[in-house]
Amino acid sequence: EPEVTQTPSHQVTQMGQEVILRCVPISNHLYFYWYRQILGQKVEFLVSFYNNEISEKSEIFDDQFSVERPDGSNFTLKIRSTKLEDSAMYFCASSELTGGHTEAFFGQGTRLTVV
Amino acid sequence: GQQVMQIPQYQHVQEGEDFTTYCNSSTTLSNIQWYKQRPGGHPVFLIQLVKSGEVKKQKRLTFQFGEAKKNSSLHITATQTTDVGTYFCAGRRTSYDKVIFGPGTSLSVIP
Repeated sequence: EPEVTQTPSHQVTQMGQEVILRCVPISNHLYFYWYRQILGQKVEFLVSFYNNEISEKSEIFDDQFSVERPDGSNFTLKIRSTKLEDSAMYFCASSELTGGHTEAFFGQGTRLTVV
Repeated sequence: GQQVMQIPQYQHVQEGEDFTTYCNSSTTLSNIQWYKQRPGGHPVFLIQLVKSGEVKKQKRLTFQFGEAKKNSSLHITATQTTDVGTYFCAGRRTSYDKVIFGPGTSLSVIP
């Protein structure tokens, strides 16, 4: 069964450092998302991406965040200068665009720990 | 902006008891989805409801979408320990909109 894959599974970084989280969405999907989940809290929307551009972003997704689809398969989330409060589980998700198949398929997540 | 709320936040039940979680949106939804997240895992899609008043069943799970398409419920009959996890509802305003998650209901099942 096709799945969304994310790497790394766990990333530890020092405050102020840049991190790049990587995702490979399901190959025929056209809509991509990043969500984050602070431990024990709800899943929060960060950004959606379609047709090589951001289609929507939340207020969490400030200038420190950026997304990119550098090639035909990868979808990355970059945090330029990490803060302690960026520590969370980051989930990538993808979905088809057609109306009948709009469920989001989530990757296993990357646990980011900022120290 | 759009908000999705869920109650209760936590529910502890004895194995074999029923469980229900309720979801309410501040805006009318195009569709609503339900996800389950096991402890330490990622959200896994369970079902999508699209039509007003729709009811769908998956074995012991019954999902309902309200007539006004602003609320939904998930009912589990005769819970088992495998049902443990957090159940999230997630709504979309349009078919192509982002999925907005509710805060989830964490279910514990006591054997």
